[in-house]
Amino acid sequence: EVHLVESGGGLVKPGGSLRLSCAASGFLFSNYSMNWVRQAPGKGLEWLSSISSTSAYIFYSDSVKGRFTISRDNAKNSLYLQMDSLRAEDTAIYYCARDRHLGAWGQGTLVSVSS
Amino acid sequence: DIVMTQSPLSLVVTPGEPASISCRSSLSLLHSNGHNYLNWYLQKPGQSPQLLIYLGSNRASGVPDRFSGSGSGTDFTLKISRVEAEDVGVYYCMQALQTPRLAFGGGTKVQIK
Repeated sequence: EVHLVESGGGLVKPGGSLRLSCAASGFLFSNYSMNWVRQAPGKGLEWLSSISSTSAYIFYSDSVKGRFTISRDNAKNSLYLQMDSLRAEDTAIYYCARDRHLGAWGQGTLVSVSS
Repeated sequence: DIVMTQSPLSLVVTPGEPASISCRSSLSLLHSNGHNYLNWYLQKPGQSPQLLIYLGSNRASGVPDRFSGSGSGTDFTLKISRVEAEDVGVYYCMQALQTPRLAFGGGTKVQIK
């Protein structure tokens, strides 16, 4: 069974940093592109970033480009999101999701940015 | 960038009755391979989203056959033939053509009468 588990969320002050992780199991992680998607409280879904299976291709939405960095470690079946220069508007649940069709999602991790 | 527009914003349905949600894309999602790169997701209360329909009309694994997707180009529809209590939640459409810049519709909240 496909399983994605995010971790690393928490409360951080504006301007601070957090590193999210997503542990994958139940499928051949190194064969799939991966994504980060977030959902602000009471709002819809927003795609943030994607990384190809070999990390050769990386893309970001305009809202996080230059502040967030996606990476992966195929040996550890893990996906990461380094988030710097955090703003209040980055407060959201952050999900990792598999492949271009977002065929599998984790349960999400909550990031709160507040002073 | 492709913009996705869903309607209605919310829907109240009697159990056993059908329901329909519309999704419109600002650009055609029809690929030269003949597939429409439009997916549907359901986010049940308190849960993460789950894939229901991919490539316009293909049900994801384990999705009941009361769910069906149709449409082509810029206009798509998700239909639930007979709504059940477990179908409540927010439904999102998403374009998967212009990857990796995926774009979601605003969501349609389905409630049971």
